[in-house]
Amino acid sequence: GAVVSQHPSRVICKSGTSVKIECRSLDFQATTMFWYRQFPKQSLMLMATSNEGSKATYEQGVEKDKFLINHASLTLSTLTVTSAHPEDSSFYICSASGQGPNQPQHFGDGTRLSIL
Amino acid sequence: TQLLEQSPQFLSIQEGENLTVYCNSSSVFSSLQWYRQEPGEGPVLLVTVVTGGEVKKLKRLTFQFGDARKDSSLHITAAQPGDTGLYLCAGLPEPDYKLSFGAGTTVTVRA
Repeated sequence: GAVVSQHPSRVICKSGTSVKIECRSLDFQATTMFWYRQFPKQSLMLMATSNEGSKATYEQGVEKDKFLINHASLTLSTLTVTSAHPEDSSFYICSASGQGPNQPQHFGDGTRLSIL
Repeated sequence: TQLLEQSPQFLSIQEGENLTVYCNSSSVFSSLQWYRQEPGEGPVLLVTVVTGGEVKKLKRLTFQFGDARKDSSLHITAAQPGDTGLYLCAGLPEPDYKLSFGAGTTVTVRA
């Protein structure tokens, strides 16, 4: 089955630090990757959609300068949380889908980000 | 407002009982997916339904897609403690490419 690897799984860092999270599709080419944020016991909230070789599309209310997304290849997308603050602490999850209609999204295992 | 209304929000049952989770919408979906998520992990895809009226079975889990492709249900027969988790429905509304998620159903199966 399709495997999406997300790294790191957990980050604890000081306020003001920038943190990079990687999302890789291991056995398929992902033309589109998605970044989500999830609060405890809640559903996933889409932050942005990233397409290989083009700028990411951000959802309303998501600061593009705060959450930098790069999708440099068909198997890798990165999310950088710049100058992170405690309110950025959350569970961040990426997903990837292959080419073609009705392709399901396959999710990474998420990154627990804790800003002190 | 969420495009997909998922219910119930919480479900706590005894081992061996049956349960059903519902996802309803006024929008038409080109496909609908069900995921299960455990704490600290990403959602794991259980099934994708595409055709109106489609029924898919995965061992003790039965998934149904409404005839009009606006709603879906997940039925678990003889639930086991291993079925405990957060169940999420997610649909691709026509003609969008972005998944719309339901609010999730936290299922707890007591031994």
